[in-house]
Amino acid sequence: DTEVTQTPKHLVMGMTNKKSLKCEQHMGHRAMYWYKQKAKKPPELMFVYSYEKLSINESVPSRFSPECPNSSLLNLHLHALQPEDSALYLCATSRDHLDEQFFGPGTRLTVL
Amino acid sequence: SQQGEEDPQALSIQEGENATMNCSYKTSINNLQWYRQNSGRGLVHLILIRSNEREKHSGRLRVTLDTSKKSSSLLITASRAADTASYFCATDHTGNQFYFGTGTSLTVIP
Repeated sequence: DTEVTQTPKHLVMGMTNKKSLKCEQHMGHRAMYWYKQKAKKPPELMFVYSYEKLSINESVPSRFSPECPNSSLLNLHLHALQPEDSALYLCATSRDHLDEQFFGPGTRLTVL
Repeated sequence: SQQGEEDPQALSIQEGENATMNCSYKTSINNLQWYRQNSGRGLVHLILIRSNEREKHSGRLRVTLDTSKKSSSLLITASRAADTASYFCATDHTGNQFYFGTGTSLTVIP
């Protein structure tokens, strides 16, 4: 299985809601990533987990909370988001830390 | 910002022509990668070149790396309409930092 899956594909939430984005892989990769991408801009790295431990946190606001329950799953918990947080959220995995990355299709998030 | 800069921002060519895009970065790297993205969806990895390598090939793709100039280029030969996409370089810097470049939007006209 060489696929990275992300759910949901689309999410609309209010500023007071709590929601979670999910990412799953079964390639045995030990590094997992969250990126945020605004329209016509490059992806911006948010978090990296390596061997299920948070290895990079790019000064992301605390309203974004990552979780890696096991080596196949990566969650991004969202709470009290702002409209400017609306973006495409991409998950990626790689065999080793910061190596060739395999991306999921993304979750398109809209915050009202 | 450590983000790599790519040029051109946009490139339009006829099918069959070659396309070249360039990436420049500011600080030492461990490796440099190139990715393709269609229509704002997930990215696809194309090539990884390590800091001790100067050139790599994969099918119709050729990547060069000049660490003295802190720059890389991606050449796509004999372009096809299906190559239409955004292309990003990504740099793994010493100190556990990773950045995507600004991107080049390539349009291949059939």
